[in-house]
Amino acid sequence: DAGVTQSPTHLIKTRGQHVTLRCSPISGHKSVSWYQQVLGQGPQFIFQYYEKEERGRGNFPDRFSARQFPNYSSELNVNALLLGDSALYLCASSPITVPPYNEQFFGPGTRLTVL
Amino acid sequence: GQQVMQIPQYQHVQEGEDFTTYCNSSTTLSNIQWYKQRPGGHPVFLIQLVKSGEVKKQKRLTFQFGEAKKNSSLHITATQTTDVGTYFCAGPGSGGYQKVTFGTGTKLQVIP
Repeated sequence: DAGVTQSPTHLIKTRGQHVTLRCSPISGHKSVSWYQQVLGQGPQFIFQYYEKEERGRGNFPDRFSARQFPNYSSELNVNALLLGDSALYLCASSPITVPPYNEQFFGPGTRLTVL
Repeated sequence: GQQVMQIPQYQHVQEGEDFTTYCNSSTTLSNIQWYKQRPGGHPVFLIQLVKSGEVKKQKRLTFQFGEAKKNSSLHITATQTTDVGTYFCAGPGSGGYQKVTFGTGTKLQVIP
């Protein structure tokens, strides 16, 4: 079975631009979470979606938004990019309904550089 | 807000030595997870602990959840070069599992 996939793998943008990152969960996983990982730090929770509804939101500005599609894939959108948005953006899917219920499977991430 | 701290931040050990990382949460956790992230890679789930005082073993790795469910530890016996990476604990934040808080991480370097 394929793991969590993310696209693109790398992205370079300039300040003020908009970016869309995409994630496809493991087949059968209905929960998708997004994390931001700055170099040298742990992942910071941004959003969690389950059954196409937002179930959790981290402490990120409204410039960050996301959605989940009927096939459970997800998009993370970031508007008005700042230099500080440069990071590795990780997507994680989770089965939720089978133990261990909170096990998360991470994708390889999208490395975003804002110049 | 909830804080999850890990110590030490860095650890260099000779291959064959033991290694322990400690995780402390500012709030009680319903469960705790451990992840390993290799250099240049993404976090990989290792284990989840749920019960107070729970101890689980995976080969050379021993995981423990504190009695008060506010701390946890990961112990590696006889480290190998394949153990290199950053180890993170993670727990559900306030509001349930939906808002997972990762610890600060412990970066392990194994000297052959």
